[in-house]
Amino acid sequence: GESVGLHLPTLSVQEGDNSIINCAYSNSASDYFIWYKQESGKGPQFIIDIRSNMDKRQGQRVTVLLNKTVKHLSLQIAATQPGDSAVYFCAETFSGGSYIPTFGRGTSLIVHP
Amino acid sequence: EADIYQTPRYLVIGTGKKITLECSQTMGHDKMYWYQQDPGMELHLIHYSYGVNSTEKGDLSSESTVSRIRTEHFPLTLESARPSHTSQYLCASSEWGQGGYGYTFGSGTRLTVV
Repeated sequence: GESVGLHLPTLSVQEGDNSIINCAYSNSASDYFIWYKQESGKGPQFIIDIRSNMDKRQGQRVTVLLNKTVKHLSLQIAATQPGDSAVYFCAETFSGGSYIPTFGRGTSLIVHP
Repeated sequence: EADIYQTPRYLVIGTGKKITLECSQTMGHDKMYWYQQDPGMELHLIHYSYGVNSTEKGDLSSESTVSRIRTEHFPLTLESARPSHTSQYLCASSEWGQGGYGYTFGSGTRLTVV
């Protein structure tokens, strides 16, 4: 079936570096994408979203890039901080369907001081 | 400040016991969901509800059942717990029509069946 997946299970960076977390999706009909952050012992928390009519969206220290040609999504975190250490999930949604996101496998981001 | 509450946070229970995981939200959201998640892995949808008296099975086959008698309450019940049910269970809610922005998760219940 269709799936959303992440390329790397673990990403280690130094504090202050920029981080890039990647995600591949396979449902070409998906038109809404979300990044979630899940800290240990907590539920996933919304970070940023992007609709398929956009290529890039920026938030506070985070940027999401969408490449529909190759069905690729990335989350960029600028000046990574220890508090950014968490598992990051991408999710895709098809607005013509149930609106229920499909989640990929998480990437664990480890930020070293 | 969490607007969706799950209890208990942790539960260790013997095989064959009946358990109910509680989930309540104060946002008036119509849609509610239950996900099962193993550590570091993707979330698997096991049940969802569009509103009161509406319940649907998700993508992942589950031996659990749910009910939605009140908008704010969406409990999940396992009639006979087994070690294979050991996992984290996450409850979420969303506003109708929202693709994800209105998706709010609880902190989860970590269940261990021994």
